[in-house]
Amino acid sequence: EPEVTQTPSHQVTQMGQEVILRCVPISNHLYFYWYRQILGQKVEFLVSFYNNEISEKSEIFDDQFSVERPDGSNFTLKIRSTKLEDSAMYFCASSEALGSQETQYFGPGTRLLVL
Amino acid sequence: AQKITQTQPGMFVQEKEAVTLDCTYDTSDPSYGLFWYKQPSSGEMIFLIYQGSYDQQNATEGRYSLNFQKARKSANLVISASQLGDSAMYFCAMREAVNDYKLSFGAGTTVTVRA
Repeated sequence: EPEVTQTPSHQVTQMGQEVILRCVPISNHLYFYWYRQILGQKVEFLVSFYNNEISEKSEIFDDQFSVERPDGSNFTLKIRSTKLEDSAMYFCASSEALGSQETQYFGPGTRLLVL
Repeated sequence: AQKITQTQPGMFVQEKEAVTLDCTYDTSDPSYGLFWYKQPSSGEMIFLIYQGSYDQQNATEGRYSLNFQKARKSANLVISASQLGDSAMYFCAMREAVNDYKLSFGAGTTVTVRA
């Protein structure tokens, strides 16, 4: 069964460093998303992406964040200068189409720890 | 205002019994979708079940069923015949309207199944 994959599963970085989180969405999906979950808290929307453009972003997604689809399969989230509060689980998700009925399938997550 | 409210932070259930997880939502949009996800201790987000706002019948998926009460704006998840592997965090989430890409999540309910 097709699934969303994410690499790395864990990443430890120093404050101020850049990190790139990678995702491979389900192949026939057109809509891609990043969410994050700070430990013990609920899942929060960061950004959605369609047709090589950001469709919507939350107030969390400030200038230190960027997303890219560098080729036909990968979808990346870059954090330019990490802060301690960026420590969280980051989930990539994808959906086949747009609509309130469309299920978003999540990857296994990347656990980011900023020291 | 919270879009999704899950009032039960944690629940215990005996193996083979049923458990109901509460979820209430807030929207003025006539078109929305409600989703439940399971997050085991390993951290991944697993899609369980979906209910559309226009669906006339309650959704079912194996041992999972959704008790959808539209007038009360509630979408409770029922897990029947609980198994030890059902121990996890469960999140209720909502998508609103065709042009809203993101999922809004509740705070989650931790379910612990006892042998």
